[in-house]
Amino acid sequence: DIQMTQSPSTLSASVGDRVTITCRASRNIGTSLAWFQQKPGKAPKLLMHTRSTLVNGDPSRFSGSGSGTEFTLTISNLQPDDFATYYCQQYSSSSRTFGQGTKVEIK
Amino acid sequence: EVQLVESGGGLIPVGGSLRLSCAASGFTFSSRGMSWARQAPGKGLEWVSSISGSGTTTAYADSAKGRFTISRDNSKSTVYLQMDSLRVEDTALYYCARGDCPGDCYLTDYWGQGILVTVSS
Repeated sequence: DIQMTQSPSTLSASVGDRVTITCRASRNIGTSLAWFQQKPGKAPKLLMHTRSTLVNGDPSRFSGSGSGTEFTLTISNLQPDDFATYYCQQYSSSSRTFGQGTKVEIK
Repeated sequence: EVQLVESGGGLIPVGGSLRLSCAASGFTFSSRGMSWARQAPGKGLEWVSSISGSGTTTAYADSAKGRFTISRDNSKSTVYLQMDSLRVEDTALYYCARGDCPGDCYLTDYWGQGILVTVSS
């Protein structure tokens, strides 16, 4: 199975900051990488797929990059609504594994 | 508006069985694969099982193989997860999710609010 590793596990930041979350795959997944956002007590929400394609309606302060085994999610100008846990997921193989999550919390 | 509403969860003893249901609306149900995923308390997300729009193709995580069975009734726009031989480690919030394709979709684009399954020893 492909393992997905996110870093950091927790990130403390302030409104207006630029933050970056890294996701590493144990083998090449091309650009088959999605990012989900989950707020406490809520369902995960698909934020981005194919490495950098934003889902309709998501703000452009979210951006994705990378290919192969290393990917990043960047949030520019962090807003109060962005404090949440973010998960990457590979959908290159049938195991469709998730990273362990990165919690973005208020500093 | 896409809506996915899970039901059927609860407290069940080790070794017991439970059937989860997910009622879908707001899209052409038969044209989308559907999945179940779960989240243990305080933990991350884990894919459990998927089924194609026609119901002919199914897939399972290793943790679910041989114990869980996914099925769907397109006339009722409902997907099911039959869970047998339940273990303590199956305790989790179970989510129903819509696939982004008609087949066994590896990517999901909408998730329900989840239903809690607690397996007690």
